[in-house]
Amino acid sequence: DTEVTQTPKHLVMGMTNKKSLKCEQHMGHRAMYWYKQKAKKPPELMFVYSYEKLSINESVPSRFSPECPNSSLLNLHLHALQPEDSALYLCASSQVEAGGAGELFFGEGSRLTVL
Amino acid sequence: QKEVEQNSGPLSVPEGAIASLNCTYSDRVSQSFFWYRQYSGKSPELIMSIYSNGDKEDGRFTAQLNKASQYVSLLIRDSQPSDSATYLCAVKTSYDKVIFGPGTSLSVIP
Repeated sequence: DTEVTQTPKHLVMGMTNKKSLKCEQHMGHRAMYWYKQKAKKPPELMFVYSYEKLSINESVPSRFSPECPNSSLLNLHLHALQPEDSALYLCASSQVEAGGAGELFFGEGSRLTVL
Repeated sequence: QKEVEQNSGPLSVPEGAIASLNCTYSDRVSQSFFWYRQYSGKSPELIMSIYSNGDKEDGRFTAQLNKASQYVSLLIRDSQPSDSATYLCAVKTSYDKVIFGPGTSLSVIP
């Protein structure tokens, strides 16, 4: 069983919809991540939160809006998406150590389809 | 130059053979290196992490790191059909930023 839980597992939305992806971790980690993965491509970093503060935004379009309500929760709010945003969205968490982020542990992902 | 590169696949090995996966990275200050396995339709799963030059062994898996050559490798001994997956090399290039290579698809033929 994964200790990083993502909901929903599947989401279909229209381009005018507003939806959210949710992630919860029970590993006591203080860094959380959103990655986007297209078919046959590697995960692509979107956002990093460290101690509940946004530390990295990889120039992601504003139609994706992250939120970290507390150290265990991470949300990704979606609005006015495009069909090319269809992908697997992966949440991960890690310890924050003296040398920076440690090993990433991934949830099972939320597969998003934009019609 | 891409930040993290891996040997192009797909790689096919017979069952019981050694599979060798290679990775190079461009950021000389990188200190942490990871190998993930990803089955089709699943999320990446951490196999190994390595931080110091040399070899690190865990069961059938051995990771090798050479910071001077900016090179990381993963050896899988006694390969099994269940090892068939995409293997992702990941590098922590700066504080909290973990970047993945393109992946190498491995097929272990029974």
